[in-house]
Amino acid sequence: RKEVEQDPGPFNVPEGATVAFNCTYSNSASQSFFWYRQDCRKEPKLLMSVYSSGNEDGRFTAQLNRASQYISLLIRDSKLSDSATYLCAQGGTSYGKLTFGQGTILTVHP
Amino acid sequence: EAGVAQSPRYKIIEKRQSVAFWCNPISGHATLYWYQQILGQGPKLLIQFQNNGVVDDSQLPKDRFSAERLKGVDSTLKIQPAKLEDSAVYLCASSPTGGYANEKLFFGSGTQLSVL
Repeated sequence: RKEVEQDPGPFNVPEGATVAFNCTYSNSASQSFFWYRQDCRKEPKLLMSVYSSGNEDGRFTAQLNRASQYISLLIRDSKLSDSATYLCAQGGTSYGKLTFGQGTILTVHP
Repeated sequence: EAGVAQSPRYKIIEKRQSVAFWCNPISGHATLYWYQQILGQGPKLLIQFQNNGVVDDSQLPKDRFSAERLKGVDSTLKIQPAKLEDSAVYLCASSPTGGYANEKLFFGSGTQLSVL
């Protein structure tokens, strides 16, 4: 089993739609989780960290469910510019290394 | 603030040839990572340095890949000899300390390697 698993999609949604991605992880000892955004032929960029209490940044909401070992990302009111690959990542139990999922492709169309 | 610098941006080689990539992390960052990202997959950690020491190289194919970080700043990743399956984007990242689990990583633009 992969350490971090994501549904690769692709997800094709119209502008204004709400879309949600889930990501499961296997290392129950991990203390940190992240969502990264990666545009085509670009490097990953941090979208948001995921905290136990959940966190929100504008149209984006991230949540952590430790009991079921998954994290989620909710995007409300999708924009064309949200089209990208969304990578979830799990931090190690020590040091800063991240283990990434394979990414979920999102395409927002007019 | 200058970001993580990588070169070259693209490299095309034939199998069995050698290739080297260079990375200059953000100034003052103690931890440096090399990730391999194959098309359609997420980045996979190859090696992590803390200053000039190796913290984790468990997924580095040591029969053909090598990496060094002299003086705890710049780093080079080398592949010798290259195989077709090494075609990927090689991403370098750095973080301030590497000392805690939720530290942010900063990625460079990557080197896209094509092995023919």
